[in-house]
Amino acid sequence: GQQLNQSPQSMFIQEGEDVSMNCTSSSIFNTWLWYKQDPGEGPVLLIALYKAGELTSNGRLTAQFGITRKDSFLNISASIPSDVGIYFCVGGGADGLTFGKGTHLIIQP
Amino acid sequence: NAGVMQNPRHLVRRRGQEARLRCSPMKGHSHVYWYRQLPEEGLKFMVYLQKENIIDESGMPKERFSAEFPKEGPSILRIQQVVRGDSAAYFCASSPAPDFGNIQYFGAGTRLSVL
Repeated sequence: GQQLNQSPQSMFIQEGEDVSMNCTSSSIFNTWLWYKQDPGEGPVLLIALYKAGELTSNGRLTAQFGITRKDSFLNISASIPSDVGIYFCVGGGADGLTFGKGTHLIIQP
Repeated sequence: NAGVMQNPRHLVRRRGQEARLRCSPMKGHSHVYWYRQLPEEGLKFMVYLQKENIIDESGMPKERFSAEFPKEGPSILRIQQVVRGDSAAYFCASSPAPDFGNIQYFGAGTRLSVL
């Protein structure tokens, strides 16, 4: 099956720092989605990308759909305590959604 | 995840019992997906249903697991004769469109613990 390599696995940062995480795959995807999951909750959609090369922002979040359609990155600027959680990259294609293993973001005040 | 309702939020079963997990999709959504999440893992696809039809069950174990989405009422994921390895968080998602690889909206999940 399709697999996504998401990195880093975890990040320990100071409040106010910028964050960058990415996903790569050997497979091509038609959509790239970024979800955030808080403890005890379901994933919540942050950003959806539909075209190769597309760069999309949502507040302090920016994500890009890689030109090869095999990768994507998510940046968070000026992190705040409520950014803590697990961020999942998700590739969408004919076989449905494929989840990365997640990036745990921990913010130290 | 507003609108996708799952219950119960937590379910405890002893080995050999049955577990029934319920999911009501967002209003206007007729496509439902079930996923399983183990600790420190991403979500793994199990089954995709439309009203009264199973579209793709390629991620569902062949035995003891079944899913339905009747014309009326919520979607049900049923696990018979549960074993300890079934302990996990089970998430339901829904979408308005029949595009399998497009945006899905998730519920808060049911955490199943098998004693």
